[in-house]
Amino acid sequence: KAGVTQTPRYLIKTRGQQVTLSCSPISGHRSVSWYQQTPGQGLQFLFEYFSETQRNKGNFPGRFSGRQFSNSRSEMNVSTLELGDSALYLCASSKTGTATYNEQFFGPGTRLTVL
Amino acid sequence: KNEVEQSPQNLTAQEEEFITINCSYSVGISALHWLQQHPGGGIVSLFMLSSGKKKHGRLIATINIQEKHSSLHITASHPRDSAVYICAVAASNTDKLIFGTGTRLQVFP
Repeated sequence: KAGVTQTPRYLIKTRGQQVTLSCSPISGHRSVSWYQQTPGQGLQFLFEYFSETQRNKGNFPGRFSGRQFSNSRSEMNVSTLELGDSALYLCASSKTGTATYNEQFFGPGTRLTVL
Repeated sequence: KNEVEQSPQNLTAQEEEFITINCSYSVGISALHWLQQHPGGGIVSLFMLSSGKKKHGRLIATINIQEKHSSLHITASHPRDSAVYICAVAASNTDKLIFGTGTRLQVFP
């Protein structure tokens, strides 16, 4: 069974641009969560989607948004990029229910650099 | 003060040593996760627990809900155990995961 895949793996953008990251969960998994990891703040929860609905959202500005498609694939978008958005963005999927109560399977991450 | 605190921040051990990593939290939780992150970023979920103790191979995780504390033990450590170990709690009032800052473990042969 293929694992969680994320594309692209590396991305370089400039301030003010926008970016879209993609995540394909393990086949049969319906919950997808997104996390941001930076050296200063560590891992932080961004949002969680289940059956195309956003179940939960972390404390990030409205520039960060996401969606989930009917095949459970998910995208996150960051508009008007800032230097501080440089981070490793991780996606994780779980079979059912919520990410907080289920084992999560993480993708390799997308490393975003904002210049 | 962070809601999830891990100790130690860094840990160096010789192969075969018994290792303990601690996690304390200040919020009410419904579950606690232990994660392992290798250099390069890949994260693996090790345990999810809400009470008692779980064991998987050489890894043991315990939780004391009353004391708001969890420990991750590694028996007979091996250089391949070198990684960052992250504790995350599922806050019961928000249903969101809150992460500790991680413990960097290096095991030398």
